[in-house]
Amino acid sequence: DAGVTQSPTHLIKTRGQQVTLRCSPKSGHDTVSWYQQALGQGPQFIFQYYEEEERQRGNFPDRFSGHQFPNYSSELNVNALLLGDSALYLCASRETGASSTGELFFGEGSRLTVL
Amino acid sequence: QKEVEQNSGPLSVPEGAIASLNCTYSDRGSQSFFWYRQYSGKSPELIMSIYSNGDKEDGRFTAQLNKASQYVSLLIRDSQPSDSATYLCAVLSGYSTLTFGKGTMLLVSP
Repeated sequence: DAGVTQSPTHLIKTRGQQVTLRCSPKSGHDTVSWYQQALGQGPQFIFQYYEEEERQRGNFPDRFSGHQFPNYSSELNVNALLLGDSALYLCASRETGASSTGELFFGEGSRLTVL
Repeated sequence: QKEVEQNSGPLSVPEGAIASLNCTYSDRGSQSFFWYRQYSGKSPELIMSIYSNGDKEDGRFTAQLNKASQYVSLLIRDSQPSDSATYLCAVLSGYSTLTFGKGTMLLVSP
């Protein structure tokens, strides 16, 4: 059973560029969340997608946008990259429903470096 | 604003000792609590969840929850060098949104 998969694993961009990160949730999971983890910090919630809609959003600017596809996979887009956007971007998925424990399962992350 | 506080450490313990990791949270309405382990350069891995006051044991790990004090802890018995990692406390809110602490680095020396 494949877990949460993310691509690419590493990438380098320059200031002002745009980036797209991709995530496939764990089998049977329909809710996808994105987190940003800067060096030495805990993960910070960016947004969550369910049924192809953004259901909740953290304190991130509109430069951060996302999408969820009918197969539950998701993309995170960041426009006009800043040096401060350098971080590990984590995708997490969970199952929605009465039997769900709320546990999130994380992918290995995409490490973005902005020069 | 919901906050989760952890001592950043590092917490250093000798092999075989008990490591005690602590966490406090600000949202009194929180009901679900998690401990994640994160090795350097890797993603967080769920090791314990706890939903009720008291203790929950799983192998060498024990999670403790005191909702009145808004306090969660993780005990690791018989610590091994392979336990050396950063331990993240997380609290569930909203639509399964996790608020994380900054993590406590644990170093277990042989």
